[in-house]
Amino acid sequence: DGGITQSPKYLFRKEGQNVTLSCEQNLNHDAMYWYRQDPGQGLRLIYYSQIVNDFQKGDIAEGYSVSREKKESFPLTVTSAQKNPTAFYLCASRTDGLATNEKLFFGSGTQLSVL
Amino acid sequence: AQSVTQLGSHVSVSEGALVLLRCNYSSSVPPYLFWYVQYPNQGLQLLLKYTSAATLVKGINGFEAEFKKSETSFHLTKPSAHMSDAAEYFCAVSGAGTASKLTFGTGTRLQVTL
Repeated sequence: DGGITQSPKYLFRKEGQNVTLSCEQNLNHDAMYWYRQDPGQGLRLIYYSQIVNDFQKGDIAEGYSVSREKKESFPLTVTSAQKNPTAFYLCASRTDGLATNEKLFFGSGTQLSVL
Repeated sequence: AQSVTQLGSHVSVSEGALVLLRCNYSSSVPPYLFWYVQYPNQGLQLLLKYTSAATLVKGINGFEAEFKKSETSFHLTKPSAHMSDAAEYFCAVSGAGTASKLTFGTGTRLQVTL
């Protein structure tokens, strides 16, 4: 079945540690996104990538980094510079085209907590 | 610039009652509007979308929404709530361009009681 796989489902970070969240899709989608979800704040865009080897900062990119070496993969690293990393992280992808955002698919999320 | 305001962070209805979740938007360009549903510890699933075609949009699970430009609203309704409708619902707006970003509201948690 085609879809988006996020792993792990739960992740714990120690102070000063970098952690990487995985996002893989087999939908052959061009664009991929990372969102952060906090209670009562909806979803906020961290980074997005419209094509391999290219990505742009979203609204809250500080303390995060990404790479897009393969079309299927868009890992997110939460660095030690992110002082409040506890949140639910959602990866999404869509096919490119004029009907933007019409076919945005989400993964099942990763809950990151600080030890 | 674009934004979405969802009125009411929590809504509680009885099973069988009307569901009404409110969404108002602001956009400097003709908007595309979406409603997503999120069940606990899961990603978001698209319920329905408005993309400048019919103003009354029907979605999955019996939900529908009406685009009202004069009121800048896109409220979500369902005639009769079911226990399985309990979830969090997000309204979102984007422009029509390929590089346009999706902006989400803060969400409304729907509780359905017996």
